Amino acid sequence: AQTVTQSQPEMSVQEAETVTLSCTYDTSESDYYLFWYKQPPSRQMILVIRQEAYKQQNATENRFSVNFQKAAKSFSLKISDSQLGDAAMYFCAYRSVDSGNTPLVFGKGTRLSVIA
Amino acid sequence: GAVVSQHPSRVICKSGTSVKIECRSLDFQATTMFWYRQFPKKSLMLMATSNEGSKATYEQGVEKDKFLINHASLTLSTLTVTSAHPEDSSFYICSAGSTSGRALGHEQYFGPGTRLTVT
Repeated sequence: AQTVTQSQPEMSVQEAETVTLSCTYDTSESDYYLFWYKQPPSRQMILVIRQEAYKQQNATENRFSVNFQKAAKSFSLKISDSQLGDAAMYFCAYRSVDSGNTPLVFGKGTRLSVIA
Repeated sequence: GAVVSQHPSRVICKSGTSVKIECRSLDFQATTMFWYRQFPKKSLMLMATSNEGSKATYEQGVEKDKFLINHASLTLSTLTVTSAHPEDSSFYICSAGSTSGRALGHEQYFGPGTRLTVT
């Protein structure tokens, strides 16, 4: 079974600075998807960024980018120019390629605080 | 993007009663829906996977007779907490996936969640 590990329960960052959230995973599959989800106080899960394992290029979405190291099974999230609205719980998640029927496997989450 | 709704957003019920939570995919057909439970400051715990027209697959440790899941159509799944007790109080979240249409096979879309309080 796949597992996802987020080793940082809490992180903080100054507004406008950059922060990196760590995520490692364990799998025997060669093709899969990786995601970072944000859960603000409203508790609505919001997709931040996704990475397909067969793509070597790291995904980027505006201020959010990932460092995907497939051999090391590492998938970190970098948030640049942090904003107060970035404060939330962040979950790293894994999903097998089998479309439609496989659930997400979540890490325990990292609570990010943004200091004004 | 694809939208998933949940109803109700909050519910308070008395111990021993049953509560039904609805999860709807509003603009796509959800062949698969997932139900998660989340305790305060914790991660999402998968309870069950439901495929349209078939019985749900429950995770180990989840009582299928207590948490009844029905996925009768491609846009609606329901979770019924039967004979609820205070320990069932939690935040329940559904997500929906599809193999066609606007929702791609690898994408899952989350509902806003339902906060259940059992008194």
